[in-house]
Amino acid sequence: KAGVTQTPRYLIKTRGQQVTLSCSPISGHRSVSWYQQTPGQGLQFLFEYFSETQRNKGNFPGRFSGRQFSNSRSEMNVSTLELGDSALYLCASSLVAGGGLFTDTQYFGPGTRLTVL
Amino acid sequence: AQSVTQPDIHITVSEGASLELRCNYSYGATPYLFWYVQSPGQGLQLLLKYFSGDTLVQGIKGFEAEFKRSQSSFNLRKPSVHWSDAAEYFCASGRGNQAGTALIFGKGTTLSVSS
Repeated sequence: KAGVTQTPRYLIKTRGQQVTLSCSPISGHRSVSWYQQTPGQGLQFLFEYFSETQRNKGNFPGRFSGRQFSNSRSEMNVSTLELGDSALYLCASSLVAGGGLFTDTQYFGPGTRLTVL
Repeated sequence: AQSVTQPDIHITVSEGASLELRCNYSYGATPYLFWYVQSPGQGLQLLLKYFSGDTLVQGIKGFEAEFKRSQSSFNLRKPSVHWSDAAEYFCASGRGNQAGTALIFGKGTTLSVSS
């Protein structure tokens, strides 16, 4: 079974631009979570989508948004990019077969490395 | 607020020696705890997880972790380290009984293995 895939793997943007990152979960997985990883702040939860609905949201400004499609693929968008948005963005998927609690194992993709100049 | 602390930023261990990576959590109820490993340029791979029951948890690649409620700790151990274990290790906690998969991560411990 194919793992979590993220595209693109690398991205360079300039301040003020917007960017869209894509995540394809493992087949059959219904939950997709996004995390930001930076050297200073470490790994921080952005948001989670389950059945096309945002179920949880971390403490990030409204410039960060996401969505999930009916096939469980997810995109995240960052508008008005700032230098501090440079990070590795990781996507994780989980099966969520039962009650939707996070006892399901999360499987991470390789990430998208975003550089903002 | 819930938090996860990994006191050691960087650890160097000789190949073949034993390893213990420390993790402390802060959460009132029984936490859901995880250890992940990240190699350079890679995503995170789950090593093991603890939800309830036996406090000694076995994982992949010969790793184990012990949950100690009295010490609020979930330390990762391996009896004999291999050079391929060099990577960054993250301890994480789930948010109690809230539905969803949000994880709170520690800042990570970088493991170097010397020959």
